[in-house]
Amino acid sequence: GQQVMQIPQYQHVQEGEDFTTYCNSSTTLSNIQWYKQRPGGHPVFLIQLVKSGEVKKQKRLTFQFGEAKKNSSLHITATQTTDVGTYFCAGSFGNEKLTFGTGTRLTIIP
Amino acid sequence: KAGVTQTPRYLIKTRGQQVTLSCSPISGHRSVSWYQQTPGQGLQFLFEYFSETQRNKGNFPGRFSGRQFSNSRSEMNVSTLELGDSALYLCASSIYRTGYYEQYFGPGTRLTVT
Repeated sequence: GQQVMQIPQYQHVQEGEDFTTYCNSSTTLSNIQWYKQRPGGHPVFLIQLVKSGEVKKQKRLTFQFGEAKKNSSLHITATQTTDVGTYFCAGSFGNEKLTFGTGTRLTIIP
Repeated sequence: KAGVTQTPRYLIKTRGQQVTLSCSPISGHRSVSWYQQTPGQGLQFLFEYFSETQRNKGNFPGRFSGRQFSNSRSEMNVSTLELGDSALYLCASSIYRTGYYEQYFGPGTRLTVT
């Protein structure tokens, strides 16, 4: 079936360091979404990418969609303790159903 | 606007029993999706309903079923519970933006099967 792989599974960074998580699909995606889930919480929508090579920024967060629409990344600059949580990508393969990546759990070392 | 609400928030059942979970979407949202979240399998799509019709279905056995009512509220049912059904069940309501659906998740129902 169609899968979305996400790496790394865990990432521990010192506060102030950068963080990146990557998503890959073997099949072309029609679009990709990113979500953040705080510990004990539920996923919260962050952003949607649709176009090949698209780059979007939200303050310290930068989201990219690959040229082939098979990969995506989320980069956080100068992490803060509020960035703690699990970041999920979720890809769509042409219908409304979302296939979630396995998530990257980010912990911040103060 | 009120967010997505799910009831109950916590549930303990024994093997073989059945369970019904409820989800009330954000007012105006007509699409409701259900997900199962476990530490081992992550977030897995169960099914999606739109205007009382199942529009998409994940790869779960027939013990998992759902429905949507005319007011867009949705229920999911799991029959003959197994230990492996212990999970956080998340409901998400969606609104269509240009080219995609934006999902809003509820707090989830944590089901424990003993």
